Amino acid sequence: AQSVTQLGSHVSVSEGALVLLRCNYSSSVPPYLFWYVQYPNQGLQLLLKYTSAATLVKGINGFEAEFKKSETSFHLTKPSAHMSDAAEYFCAQSSGNTGKLIFGQGTTLQVKP
Amino acid sequence: KAGVTQTPRYLIKTRGQQVTLSCSPISGHRSVSWYQQTPGQGLQFLFEYFSETQRNKGNFPGRFSGRQFSNSRSEMNVSTLELGDSALYLCASSLGQGNGNEQFFGPGTRLTVL
Repeated sequence: AQSVTQLGSHVSVSEGALVLLRCNYSSSVPPYLFWYVQYPNQGLQLLLKYTSAATLVKGINGFEAEFKKSETSFHLTKPSAHMSDAAEYFCAQSSGNTGKLIFGQGTTLQVKP
Repeated sequence: KAGVTQTPRYLIKTRGQQVTLSCSPISGHRSVSWYQQTPGQGLQFLFEYFSETQRNKGNFPGRFSGRQFSNSRSEMNVSTLELGDSALYLCASSLGQGNGNEQFFGPGTRLTVL
């Protein structure tokens, strides 16, 4: 069965520090991969998506992610954290002829002043 | 362009009751998916509809059902509510069906079952 694993349910960084959120996928066929962010009491907002066009994907708000097939990883990074980045982040994959998204368990990012 | 809207935003029901949640997709979007979000199970896929047909279904009991109308609006129904059905129910819409289509999420309906 396909699965998505996010390493670390909570990540804490200082403002201005590098953000690294880890995601590993499991798929026997090339997947489509996504990172979403969720702020309290809101729905999910798409940060970026990988659709095999390029391995390094740039998203909104300064986030980017690199697809590494050999490591089955799609880690999310941001060079400098901002207080407004504090939220929950979800990695997701879809594959096959379906829009069904399989989500990781989520990582809560805390940004300390 | 208006985003995905879900009504109601908050709902309180008691065990054994039934509930209907509504989702209006972004104009022009024909695919609607539903997800359940709980602290314990995370985000889980419920169903996907495209052109009024259910294309995909998650691993939920038959108490969970849905439908899509000709204008792409969708409803989901949960009958005989259980305490464990308390969750945030998210609806997402996309232009087309299938892989790689960006899904836009609504703010969700927070269901509390007492």
